[in-house]
Amino acid sequence: EADIYQTPRYLVIGTGKKITLECSQTMGHDKMYWYQQDPGMELHLIHYSYGVNSTEKGDLSSESTVSRIRTEHFPLTLESARPSHTSQYLCASGWGRAGELFFGEGSRLTVL
Amino acid sequence: AQSVAQPEDQVNVAEGNPLTVKCTYSVSGNPYLFWYVQYPNRGLQFLLKYITGDNLVKGSYGFEAEFNKSQTSFHLKKPSALVSDSALYFCAVLAHSGGGADGLTFGKGTHLIIQP
Repeated sequence: EADIYQTPRYLVIGTGKKITLECSQTMGHDKMYWYQQDPGMELHLIHYSYGVNSTEKGDLSSESTVSRIRTEHFPLTLESARPSHTSQYLCASGWGRAGELFFGEGSRLTVL
Repeated sequence: AQSVAQPEDQVNVAEGNPLTVKCTYSVSGNPYLFWYVQYPNRGLQFLLKYITGDNLVKGSYGFEAEFNKSQTSFHLKKPSALVSDSALYFCAVLAHSGGGADGLTFGKGTHLIIQP
């Protein structure tokens, strides 16, 4: 079992609300990632971090922001949610360039 | 740029038969290649990876994959399918070196359905 946790698992909110998706890992990994996935579809990298105070945007443009104040914590924030943000968000962590990624269970966001 | 193609949206196999899920890749230089499996409403689970060395890689749950450099392929295989193997399978690639994010690039996924 991978020690990476995401909360909430499911979230339904109204348009315009601010939301934060939490991601924590206890494996001491420096590298953490956020992927966006529509149900049963491919994953797109939206944010990544190589360590504390390091954050970068991924391949898919996203209106969300991330922070990395502690090694184990990599939250994702949407300041004003819109229906187009409805998706599943997967957090992952890993080590080195050849190491496999460990994924959380995902946060499924629905914006009404 | 790196990319992955999984040409089949869905693969149907009878239980007990061998299965193959196809993956081809494009990357500058040598690749790191991975297979992941995703069950409904879950995150991805690592199955196996190719870094270097033997072209046949063995992984979890009896799965294996063969790296073929000339065909730029990394097909996932299992000699005898189980109904519990039914899931969504993702192939992923990362170049050994290069700029940009070192997050994996995933294929669009293949739904594997094992029929009893």
